[in-house]
Amino acid sequence: DQQVKQNSPSLSVQEGRISILNCDYTNSMFDYFLWYKKYPAEGPTFLISISSIKDKNEDGRFTVFLNKSAKHLSLHIVPSQPGDSAVYFCAASASGGYQKVTFGIGTKLQVIP
Amino acid sequence: KAGVTQTPRYLIKTRGQQVTLSCSPISGHRSVSWYQQTPGQGLQFLFEYFSETQRNKGNFPGRFSGRQFSNSRSEMNVSTLELGDSALYLCASSLLWGGETEAFFGQGTRLTVV
Repeated sequence: DQQVKQNSPSLSVQEGRISILNCDYTNSMFDYFLWYKKYPAEGPTFLISISSIKDKNEDGRFTVFLNKSAKHLSLHIVPSQPGDSAVYFCAASASGGYQKVTFGIGTKLQVIP
Repeated sequence: KAGVTQTPRYLIKTRGQQVTLSCSPISGHRSVSWYQQTPGQGLQFLFEYFSETQRNKGNFPGRFSGRQFSNSRSEMNVSTLELGDSALYLCASSLLWGGETEAFFGQGTRLTVV
């Protein structure tokens, strides 16, 4: 049972345009969400996170939006750069105690120069 | 400061054998988590250790086990290897336990079972 779903396995965007990566979750206990980026032959690196008390968090070119009622979050990258080409993982966890992090299967983003 | 170090980077084992993977977390980090990454399955959570105690466990068979030492270094063991165990095994360390903290990943160990 995939509790964190990234339904688009891949996405291609022109350099300079906006990239929008989507993520849906089913577990209503999730209240903390993270995005990680992974290049080939490297481990994932943390990109940005958002708590359920917020609906938006911004860090430079990266913005994450959270819609709790729809159990949906999205990562916006503006403007997209060729170096952003990577696999992006959405992750979620519930607060309180020793809660594990649940990852989606990832979306491969290709930014075309 | 040094990042998360996983050894070995690559490993080829025969079905039925056992394997031990090692992870050295970032200095000062007391939480170590292990994940299995396979094509189409994303990162599947194996277990998390904090202060030498397993705090959380994923849905993997008992052939997968781990431990953490007093210096926070962790090992993961897989016994009676199966072809389906071929995957990239990632270790992540963080200051605290659980999901509300940024995790730092190692480069992974690529295990191939033949």
